[in-house]
Formats: sequence, structure tokens, C-alpha cells
Amino acid sequence: QQQVKQSPQSLIVQKGGISIINCAYENTAFDYFPWYQQFPGKGPALLIAIRPDVSEKKEGRFTISFNKSAKQFSLHIMDSQPGDSATYFCAASNYGGSQGNLIFGKGTKLSVKP
Amino acid sequence: EPEVTQTPSHQVTQMGQEVILRCVPISNHLYFYWYRQILGQKVEFLVSFYNNEISEKSEIFDDQFSVERPDGSNFTLKIRSTKLEDSAMYFCASRRGRVGQPQHFGDGTRLSIL
Repeated sequence: QQQVKQSPQSLIVQKGGISIINCAYENTAFDYFPWYQQFPGKGPALLIAIRPDVSEKKEGRFTISFNKSAKQFSLHIMDSQPGDSATYFCAASNYGGSQGNLIFGKGTKLSVKP
Repeated sequence: EPEVTQTPSHQVTQMGQEVILRCVPISNHLYFYWYRQILGQKVEFLVSFYNNEISEKSEIFDDQFSVERPDGSNFTLKIRSTKLEDSAMYFCASRRGRVGQPQHFGDGTRLSIL
């Protein structure tokens, strides 16, 4: 129930293309869904986050789509660039009932080819 | 921009030895966390800390682990008697306080147990 399932494990996209990463969760108590970007040798850095009261959030080239009934959310990276090549983690948290500890997906390694 | 700093960046320790990993969270943050990431795997929650006490811990965080905030700035993770399987990246994170505010991660300490 505490798991967050992420797919695909790896993704290769051409420069200018759209990268799509999907996550699914079981625990309906989760109320905060962030995406983190991690470069080699660095810690996870927050990219964008969404609460379940909205179905979409956009920040620049990054969009989260959220489907509460399906318990799924996804990250779309428009106009993907080689500098976007990194590992992306979705996560979920129950801020209302806990101290906000994050449950992470297994990560997606994105490679954007020039 | 303020950031979470962790030292050392790499720690090599003999099995059975004690190790202390250090973190300086962002100064006005109230919630503190430790996570670990075994090579190639997902980031896993270890413990959260608020108001000078542990607020939540995972099943990974057994009696060999302890956390402390010895002064107003440092936050430490101690492993009493290290095992080979403790080899991982350990990340410290902190959060300002309000629900939905993001966790900021340090760049981690790579712990290698020989």
C-alpha cells in the first residue's frame, strides 16, 4: 500500500521530443506528489509537485498530469533537451497524517539524444 | 539559494565500526529527514525528526541507527556497528514546515563498508 510504481525504467528521446514518465500509487491518503530530478553524484532536486485537488500543473516545459480516480500521475517534458538527461523519481507523501516522509518510485533514467 | 550541506562526501569504514554522517539543514527549516539510496535503486525513507525528537522511522531504521541534533545547526545520523549492507548513499533533507512545502536534499554521503 505504501508503494509507488514508476515506469519506464529507462527512456531514450530525441532532442525536441516529448518525454513521458508514469507513476501509480495505492494509498489514497497520499496528498502530495512531487517529481525529483537527480544528476549523477548529486542529491534529488525538486522539479515540480502537485496536490490532488488539481488535475494538471505546468511549469515551463514540465507538466504533471494527475488522475485521482485512477491513482496515477505522470510527468511530461516538452521539447526535451540533452541537459534534461538525468534520473527522474516520482514520489508521494501523506502530509496530513505523517511528517511528510516521501515514498519514492524506482526512478526513470532519461537520455535525450542530440 | 540556501542549501542542505552534507559531510563527508565519501566515507569508507570497516565493517563493525561506528560511523557518523553529518548534515547542516537549511537554517529556518523545522523538519529533518534521512534517506538512503543503495546503488542503482530507489531512494528509501529512514527517519524524520521534528521538535528534537524522532517523529517517524522506517523498518530499515533499527537499533543500530540513531539521529541527533546536537546544536542549532547540525543533524547527524549514527550507525553503531556497520554492516556490508549499509553501503549506500545517505541523503539528508529538510523542509520549512507548512504542508506541501518541498523537501530540499543535500548531495549525499557515499558510505562504503569494507
